Amino acid sequence: QKEVEQDPGPLSVPEGAIVSLNCTYSNSAFQYFMWYRQYSRKGPELLMYTYSSGNKEDGRFTAQVDKSSKYISLFIRDSQPSDSATYLCAMRTNAGKSTFGDGTTLTVKP
Amino acid sequence: KAGVTQTPRYLIKTRGQQVTLSCSPISGHRSVSWYQQTPGQGLQFLFEYFSETQRNKGNFPGRFSGRQFSNSRSEMNVSTLELGDSALYLCASSLVTAYTGELFFGEGSRLTVL
Repeated sequence: QKEVEQDPGPLSVPEGAIVSLNCTYSNSAFQYFMWYRQYSRKGPELLMYTYSSGNKEDGRFTAQVDKSSKYISLFIRDSQPSDSATYLCAMRTNAGKSTFGDGTTLTVKP
Repeated sequence: KAGVTQTPRYLIKTRGQQVTLSCSPISGHRSVSWYQQTPGQGLQFLFEYFSETQRNKGNFPGRFSGRQFSNSRSEMNVSTLELGDSALYLCASSLVTAYTGELFFGEGSRLTVL
């Protein structure tokens, strides 16, 4: 069983929709939680980063962490075609090793 | 501020050959991690270097090796290439403190093994 499981997708939504991307994990040592966005043929770029349970908002993006349930989510409001990309959740222990989900590919149609 | 730079961006090799990939981290970053990304396996951790020392290692065979230089630049080497080594190899740098976990990725080196 993988330490990090990500909803596989792919997801296709109309422009303006609310998108929910989700990951679960099994390793209690994970302390830091990240979401990366990866455009085609590019490296991942950090989108959101948090280290505590609760919500963190940045513009149209909200990251949610529930450590008790070992569950994290990324919400995208008013989705735009430019949001079309693969989204990767990632988790890191204090020792510094990051583990990634397999990614969810999102397409936002105009 | 310059980002993470990886060279070469694309390369084609044949089975049995070896390859060396290079990564220059963001100035001031002392940690460099390497990842292999394939459609079937996602992003797999190879190894991480900090101050020229390997800190963590993923579950890859000994054909995959790396090193870090005193200026934090890093190289990874794959010997005796196999078809399954075809992938995007990503390097990521980070500021290493006890309380941050941010990785900054380069654009990757896309390796094709024929």
